[in-house]
Amino acid sequence: DVKVTQSSRYLVKRTGEKVFLECVQDMDHENMFWYRQDPGLGLRLIYFSYDVKMKEKGDIPEGYSVSREKKERFSLILESASTNQTSMYLCASSLFGTGVNQPQHFGDGTRLSIL
Amino acid sequence: GQQVMQIPQYQHVQEGEDFTTYCNSSTTLSNIQWYKQRPGGHPVFLIQLVKSGEVKKQKRLTFQFGEAKKNSSLHITATQTTDVGTYFCAGEGSNDYKLSFGAGTTVTVRA
Repeated sequence: DVKVTQSSRYLVKRTGEKVFLECVQDMDHENMFWYRQDPGLGLRLIYFSYDVKMKEKGDIPEGYSVSREKKERFSLILESASTNQTSMYLCASSLFGTGVNQPQHFGDGTRLSIL
Repeated sequence: GQQVMQIPQYQHVQEGEDFTTYCNSSTTLSNIQWYKQRPGGHPVFLIQLVKSGEVKKQKRLTFQFGEAKKNSSLHITATQTTDVGTYFCAGEGSNDYKLSFGAGTTVTVRA
């Protein structure tokens, strides 16, 4: 069974801090994704990666960056945390699909609070 | 990219009743996926629809993809307390391989 592990379930940081959220998957998936989930807005894609060292902007990349140095690990970085980045962050992975997106497998999420 | 709208946002259902949640896209989709998120949990993949007019069933859940591939629906019959959660649709555009998630329909069940 696919396992996507996010480093923290809950995290509290201060405004202006640099924040790292880590995600590891154990199924050799090519694709990895970072979403944020806010009430009434569903899941919004921040960044995704389809290969090591590759990254693509999602719908809301401003204020975030990512790193994928190894296939199994995808990190989300908040360069200078702000209160409007308080949210639930979900990492997901999927196999590469030819022509059709493969199902995504999600981690348990990190609830991040910026004070 | 495509925008995916889901209605209703909330669905309060009497146990044993049926209900339907709808998903509409501003553009034609190449395929659509449905996920379920239980309270306190993470989204879990339910099903994927690819063909125009496709209908798939999973026990009491029936998923449909519209003929124009711009809308989809999830119909649940004889709702049970285990159906509680938020159901998301996620569409992949014809020219855009990203998935766009709807805002979800949150289902509560009255026993």
